[in-house]
Amino acid sequence: QSALTQPASVSGSPGQSITISCTGTSSDVGSYNLVSWYQQHPGKAPKLMIHEVSDRPSGVSNRFSGSKSGNTASLTISGLQAEDEADYYCCSYAGSSTLVFGGGTKLTVL
Amino acid sequence: EVQLLESGGGLVQPGGSLRLSCAASGFTFSTYAMNWVRQAPGKGPEWVSGISGSGGSTYFPDSVKGRFTISRDNSKNTLYLQMNSLRAEDTAVYYCAKVSGVHYYYGMDVWGQGTTVTVSS
Repeated sequence: QSALTQPASVSGSPGQSITISCTGTSSDVGSYNLVSWYQQHPGKAPKLMIHEVSDRPSGVSNRFSGSKSGNTASLTISGLQAEDEADYYCCSYAGSSTLVFGGGTKLTVL
Repeated sequence: EVQLLESGGGLVQPGGSLRLSCAASGFTFSTYAMNWVRQAPGKGPEWVSGISGSGGSTYFPDSVKGRFTISRDNSKNTLYLQMNSLRAEDTAVYYCAKVSGVHYYYGMDVWGQGTTVTVSS
């Protein structure tokens, strides 16, 4: 199973909005509403930000939102803040009892 | 407070074995599926195993199928990962993660701090 495709890096200024894409295939992202997004700061464990495409866990800022269109899922962060600078990973159920992660996107807050 | 604490990592020779443990607290352990996820240095996470709340169903990617076994002892609130025939490419930080629902493919809402496995001669 191939990893999901994410841009290597994105950047934005404080207060701006950015979107990170996660492209899969009709066998994974396109077939299931089981995409989750994780934030990871250096040396820390990943943190769940979005699950099942667009659901936000309790305690996660409403500046974070998720969506999906066809084989591509997206994470949008609005009102960018310095503490949002981190690596972001998408993850999707890929059928055949498999989970697959994206390669990750480094977000830089300028 | 919901917590996961991994242990059992270390240095092992190629072809060797290691058993990781993950002690859970602060939630009804048997209710939730659990996963093991690893992350090689400088790389993204890779899912390596999942297990249902009862322990009756287990799941693995092809990369570890036949070499790794996942199990849980709900009476001890502990998750395990038995790793055999270890290879250099298994070197990574291994995290246990609580799933937000009953199926392993839902989002993972609680993660441990990770335990490091190094496979080298």
